[in-house]
Amino acid sequence: DAMVIQNPRYQVTQFGKPVTLSCSQTLNHNVMYWYQQKSSQAPKLLFHYYDKDFNNEADTPDNFQSRRPNTSFCFLDIRSPGLGDAAMYLCATADSVTHEQYFGPGTRLTVT
Amino acid sequence: AQRVTQPEKLLSVFKGAPVELKCNYSYSGSPELFWYVQYSRQRLQLLLRHISRESIKGFTADLNKGETSFHLKKPFAQEEDSAMYYCALKAGGTSYGKLTFGQGTILTVHP
Repeated sequence: DAMVIQNPRYQVTQFGKPVTLSCSQTLNHNVMYWYQQKSSQAPKLLFHYYDKDFNNEADTPDNFQSRRPNTSFCFLDIRSPGLGDAAMYLCATADSVTHEQYFGPGTRLTVT
Repeated sequence: AQRVTQPEKLLSVFKGAPVELKCNYSYSGSPELFWYVQYSRQRLQLLLRHISRESIKGFTADLNKGETSFHLKKPFAQEEDSAMYYCALKAGGTSYGKLTFGQGTILTVHP
């Protein structure tokens, strides 16, 4: 089945230790998104790619970076995780015509 | 800037009762509105979008531009409707489909 896959599903990292979350898709969609969702809050867009064109949200901290080496893969790098970065991170894709977003299952990040 | 408000964090109804999940938005242009649903232990998925004007799983939602609302309704709730529901807005004119989500409403349908 075509889908959005996120690895790992659960990630534990130490305060200040860099961590990378992965997302892959088999939908061949142009657009990929990363959202942060803290407990009992709405998903908040961090950034998105339209093909290789990177778009950062104005309030996304510099601590968060992203890479998209090809259409299928997108990575979220957190350079120096703080306790406040503990959250669920959602990856989503969309095609440029319908804009319907397809979400991955998320990666729950714990910072110790 | 756009904003989506879901005033009810929790909503409980009994099976067979009507249900309405409220959503209000703030946006100066012409928005597209969506409802997303997340069932227990499943991923977030699209339930319906206002431009389709369709009914999915018995749910409907009408965009009321005068009241800036996009309430989700179902005449007879079922237990399997229990889930988290998010209202989301896409600003018109953008080609990337960026969504602004409301805070979500947890719907519980009791037997």
